[in-house]
Amino acid sequence: AQSVTQLGSHVSVSEGALVLLRCNYSSSVPPYLFWYVQYPNQGLQLLLKYTSAATLVKGINGFEAEFKKSETSFHLTKPSAHMSDAAEYFCAVLGGGSNYKLTFGKGTLLTVNP
Amino acid sequence: ETGVTQSPTHLIKTRGQQVTLRCSSQSGHNTVSWYQQALGQGPQFIFQYYREEENGRGNFPPRFSGLQFPNYSSELNVNALELDDSALYLCASSLVLGGETQYFGPGTRLLVL
Repeated sequence: AQSVTQLGSHVSVSEGALVLLRCNYSSSVPPYLFWYVQYPNQGLQLLLKYTSAATLVKGINGFEAEFKKSETSFHLTKPSAHMSDAAEYFCAVLGGGSNYKLTFGKGTLLTVNP
Repeated sequence: ETGVTQSPTHLIKTRGQQVTLRCSSQSGHNTVSWYQQALGQGPQFIFQYYREEENGRGNFPPRFSGLQFPNYSSELNVNALELDDSALYLCASSLVLGGETQYFGPGTRLLVL
C-alpha cells in the first residue's frame, strides 16, 4: 500500500526566500510521485511529476523536486518565493495494481510574507 | 487548461437526502476518478471508472455510487447523506487507464445540514 507524509502542515516564508516543502512516501512498487497546488476555492493543479526518469524534476512556476530513493523523499523547492505562491500544496503517489488511484498527503499551507 | 468541468459548483442538502454531482472529462479521456476532500485534509480516493465500468474503490460505503457515460461525462451519486459527507468533491480524468497524469476539475462543494 502507498502512503504519503508531508512534514509541516503550515510553512511561512518571506518573499524572495527559499521555499522547501517536505514529502516522504511509502510504496511497494517503484513510485510515480506528484506535487499539486490548490488555490483557495479551486481544484488541484499539477506542478510537477516524477515518473522514473530524471531524479530532479522541474515544474511550472519555478518549482522543482528531487526524488531520493534512499531517503524515500520527494521534497519541493523554489529558490525565491513570490506572493502568488501562497496556496496549499499536496504531495501524492500513484498506486499500482489494478487501479491507479492517487494517495495524497494532508497538505502543506504555504504563506508568503511581504 | 485542464478541460475538466464539474457542476454544480456549490450545493446545500439536508441529512438523508440524495445528491448527484456531475463531471465532464477532457475529450478522449477514458478514465475518471472521484475524490472527496474534507476541510483541511488531502483528497481521498472514492472510486475510478474506466470505459463505463468501475475499476477500483476506496474506503467508501455503497451509498456512494457512480456512472460513466460514452460521451466522457460521469456522475457521483450519494444516497442517505450524512453530515460528514460535507466536503469538496473532485473528479479527475486521465487519457488512458494507468496514465500517470490525472487532470482535476474545480470541484463541487457540498454542504450537508
